[in-house]
Amino acid sequence: RKEVEQDPGPFNVPEGATVAFNCTYSNSASQSFFWYRQDCRKEPKLLMSVYSSGNEDGRFTAQLNRASQYISLLIRDSKLSDSATYLCVVPRTGGGNKLTFGTGTQLKVEL
Amino acid sequence: EAQVTQNPRYLITVTGKKLTVTCSQNMNHEYMSWYRQDPGLGLRQIYYSMNVEVTDKGDVPEGYKVSRKEKRNFPLILESPSPNQTSLYFCASSSLGHRYEQYFGPGTRLTVT
Repeated sequence: RKEVEQDPGPFNVPEGATVAFNCTYSNSASQSFFWYRQDCRKEPKLLMSVYSSGNEDGRFTAQLNRASQYISLLIRDSKLSDSATYLCVVPRTGGGNKLTFGTGTQLKVEL
Repeated sequence: EAQVTQNPRYLITVTGKKLTVTCSQNMNHEYMSWYRQDPGLGLRQIYYSMNVEVTDKGDVPEGYKVSRKEKRNFPLILESPSPNQTSLYFCASSSLGHRYEQYFGPGTRLTVT
């Protein structure tokens, strides 16, 4: 199993839809998880941090399922501006500042 | 404005010609990292630094050097660039208390011919 795995998509959804995508991770000792957003050819930007069972910020909800080793990102009432690639990020255990980035899930919100 | 800056933003060079990509942050962050991003492979960490004069290898350090002489700067050096180092490079920084919540620079697109 890859350290971090994401469905690459693209997920094409109409404006206003609810969309969810998952990220699976292999290291059962991982304690924290992050979702970053990356617009085409731009730098990644932190979207949400997940330190316990989940986190919610406006239209965005991240949930953690430790038993099955995945985190999900739910976007409600999708906007055109949500179109981007969403990167799942899992820190490596053992100290330092090593992160494993998923290859990302592409979301396209359409009129 | 809190930011991470990188220079140059675009660079085309030839095999073997030494180059340096600069990275600077104005947030007094302890942690800084360099990543490369290639299609289908995602972001991969090249080197990271936990503070001045403290650096460590990431996943793909071969062919790269770094230094951290000042807290704000973390240059990436390619002593002898090769075509397989053609990539999009990002510098990132984070604070001691939130080391995984990284602020990224705008990226440097490097082409080695």
